[in-house]
Amino acid sequence: DQQVKQNSPSLSVQEGRISILNCDYTNSMFDYFLWYKKYPAEGPTFLISISSIKDKNEDGRFTVFLNKSAKHLSLHIVPSQPGDSAVYFCAASQSRYSGGYQKVTFGTGTKLQVIP
Amino acid sequence: GAGVSQSPSNKVTEKGKDVELRCDPISGHTALYWYRQSLGQGLEFLIYFQGNSAPDKSGLPSDRFSAERTGGSVSTLTIQRTQQEDSAVYLCASSPHGRGGYTFGSGTRLTVV
Repeated sequence: DQQVKQNSPSLSVQEGRISILNCDYTNSMFDYFLWYKKYPAEGPTFLISISSIKDKNEDGRFTVFLNKSAKHLSLHIVPSQPGDSAVYFCAASQSRYSGGYQKVTFGTGTKLQVIP
Repeated sequence: GAGVSQSPSNKVTEKGKDVELRCDPISGHTALYWYRQSLGQGLEFLIYFQGNSAPDKSGLPSDRFSAERTGGSVSTLTIQRTQQEDSAVYLCASSPHGRGGYTFGSGTRLTVV
């Protein structure tokens, strides 16, 4: 049961344009969402996060939007740069998880290619 | 060290053999996680260690998988009698507490032939 879904396995965007990566989740208990970026042969690195009390969080060229009613979030990269080419993982967690820690559930990833 | 270190980076093993994967977390990080990524899949949670608490083993796919964390630092993930479906990238992450802020290692790519 995939609780965090990234339905687009890949995306190609021209340099300078906007990249939009989408993510859907099914568990309504999730209240904290993250995006990670992964380059080949490296571990994922944290990119940006958003709490469910917000609907937008911005950090430089990266903005995450959260639509709780639709259980949907998206990552916008503007302007896209060739160095942004990587696999992007959407992730979600439940801060009141019974284990008392933030068990993060990841999506399958979207491979972004930014074409120079 | 400065980051999370995993070894080996690549491991090819024959079906039925046992393997050990090592994770050296960031010094001072009390929380340690193991995830794996199989081809075409997301990152699958395996096990979580936090300080001296009992680990959360709920993600281990079978009893062939086990993990330990010695002295609250280095962790070893052991897979006994490996099967081809165990082939994946095994990722370790640590955080200064149990509430996010993961730093991942580069992973161990395990191939069972």
